[in-house]
Amino acid sequence: EAGVTQFPSHSVIEKGQTVTLRCDPISGHDNLYWYRRVMGKEIKFLLHFVKESKQDESGMPNNRFLAERTGGTYSTLKVQPAELEDSGVYFCASSQVSGVHGELFFGEGSRLTVL
Amino acid sequence: AQKITQTQPGMFVQEKEAVTLDCTYDTSDQSYGLFWYKQPSSGEMIFLIYQGSYDEQNATEGRYSLNFQKARKSANLVISASQLGDSAMYFCAMRVGWTGRRALTFGSGTRLQVQP
Repeated sequence: EAGVTQFPSHSVIEKGQTVTLRCDPISGHDNLYWYRRVMGKEIKFLLHFVKESKQDESGMPNNRFLAERTGGTYSTLKVQPAELEDSGVYFCASSQVSGVHGELFFGEGSRLTVL
Repeated sequence: AQKITQTQPGMFVQEKEAVTLDCTYDTSDQSYGLFWYKQPSSGEMIFLIYQGSYDEQNATEGRYSLNFQKARKSANLVISASQLGDSAMYFCAMRVGWTGRRALTFGSGTRLQVQP
């Protein structure tokens, strides 16, 4: 069974440009999460989808970030326009609703560098 | 609000020795779960072990055990017989509630280096 996959693994862009990160969760997982880790700091929650609906987007830093989950399958996270402080590793995770303890399965992350 | 604190930014341990990674948490909820994840240099986050707030026994998974002290709100990870492959970042995390519908709150992580 394929795990959570993220693309691209690394993106380098200039301030003001746009970047779109993609996440493909494990098939059948209704819950999809985006997290971000800025260098040396804790991993911070961004938002949570249940199927195609946003369950919780309280962690989204500002309106430059837009997340979508088309048809409840893959998800995209767009940053437009990117700022220097957006640099970090963006993790996607998925889980089943009825998991024993709701274990999250993480992707390998997308490293974003804004110059 | 929930908070996870990992006070050890870095730890060293000799191969084959045991090591304890500290984690304290803060929540006013009675139902919660505690997780430990490992992040090797390759970047992926690997689930290691889970402890539920109502579990009476400490969780164990192979060489990993979780020293759960509820009154002290601590959930330390113990790795026995360290191996070189254990060198990685380790994150403690907490989720309030029981289902997969809640997000995890993470600590800042501890970088473990296992020395030969």
